[in-house]
Formats: sequence, C-alpha cells, structure tokens
Amino acid sequence: LAKTTQPISMDSYEGQEVNITCSHNNIATNDYITWYQQFPSQGPRFIIQGYKTKVTNEVASLFIPADRKSSTLSLPRVSLSDTAVYYCLVGDNQAGTALIFGKGTTLSVSS
Amino acid sequence: GAVVSQHPSRVICKSGTSVKIECRSLDFQATTMFWYRQFPKKSLMLMATSNEGSKATYEQGVEKDKFLINHASLTLSTLTVTSAHPEDSSFYICSARVWVNAEAFFGQGTRLTVV
Repeated sequence: LAKTTQPISMDSYEGQEVNITCSHNNIATNDYITWYQQFPSQGPRFIIQGYKTKVTNEVASLFIPADRKSSTLSLPRVSLSDTAVYYCLVGDNQAGTALIFGKGTTLSVSS
Repeated sequence: GAVVSQHPSRVICKSGTSVKIECRSLDFQATTMFWYRQFPKKSLMLMATSNEGSKATYEQGVEKDKFLINHASLTLSTLTVTSAHPEDSSFYICSARVWVNAEAFFGQGTRLTVV
C-alpha cells in the first residue's frame, strides 16, 4: 500500500479556501486517491475520489498532477463546520480491501 | 448513499466483562466488513477484516481470542470484546465498502469505557 504524507494540522478562517496536500510517491498504477473527513466521535465520511487530473463535486475539488505522486484537496470558502480531520488514502477500488488510514490533517477553522 | 449502523454508540462496562458491538449494513449487502479502533487524537487503526460465513482476518498484534468477530449474515457483523480491561477503552468503528466505486461507509462508532 502506498504511504501517504500530509500536514499534521492547518489553520484557516471562515470564508477562505483551504488546500491540503498529500504526498504519495509510491502510488501504484491501479491506485485511486480518496479523501475522508472525520468529526470528533463520528466515523469518517467520504469526500472525494480521483485517479488523475481534476475532480470536483459539491463539497470539494481534488487536483492530481500527471505523475500522481501527490494530490491536493481544495475546500472552497470553509466554514466553522469544516473543522475536522481530513485523511488522504491511496489504494485500489476493491470492496474487499480495507482502507488504511495515515495520521490525517487536523483542520481548524476560526471566525 | 449506503448506510452502516453501529450499536451501541456508547457503553460502559466493568473490568472483566464482555461487550458486544453490532454493525449492520442497512440498505446493501456487505460480504466484507472492517473493524477499526481509534484512541484519542489518533488515527483509525485496522483491527480485523470480517468475512461473511468465514473466519475474520486479524491484523498483527490484535488478539483474536479477545476481540471475537462474527459475520453471520450479509448485513450484520459483531465485535465482542471479551474480558474487557481499562486499556480496551477506545472508540470502535466498523465499515463496509460498496462495490460501485468501493466508497467506504462507516458506522457511527462505539465509545467503550471499561471501569
């Protein structure tokens, strides 16, 4: 499984755009990049997934360069409720394969 | 999206007793479910992979006789913490992945406190 490295913590203010970068130098050809969000005392929640280039959904964008050795999760105009831990995961899309979590990035949004 | 329901959300038990945690996939069938443990301010740590109709696969360092996993149907997996001790106090989370894009859905988690 590809190892991921992301900042331990980030601080932001409401209304700002937040970009969290994840390094995954050993990503394999059949690996996808997926981001999950976790609030205290809750299970993680899927945010976005991509394989290459850019993916956008209603909550975030995911930018993946051509070499796929890193990815950036972009959260537009964050609010206080976006304060959470964000995990970057790299792995195949097999339902029988467990997700392995790294340390994650704790995002703190202030007013 | 798919829903994974976990019960109970909180449980306090006395040292030496056993506690059972249930994980149900409400609107999809899950051949495989995963159990994680999370200590305060730490990441999720995979404990075991639960397979319907067969024995669970435990991660290195996880005692299979202490953490009994049963996956008797395609919608229910249970984790029983046997002879619980204070060091077993933690947040336990179950998960299942759907087949379409393998998105993982997680239960609400169970906060276990052993006193």
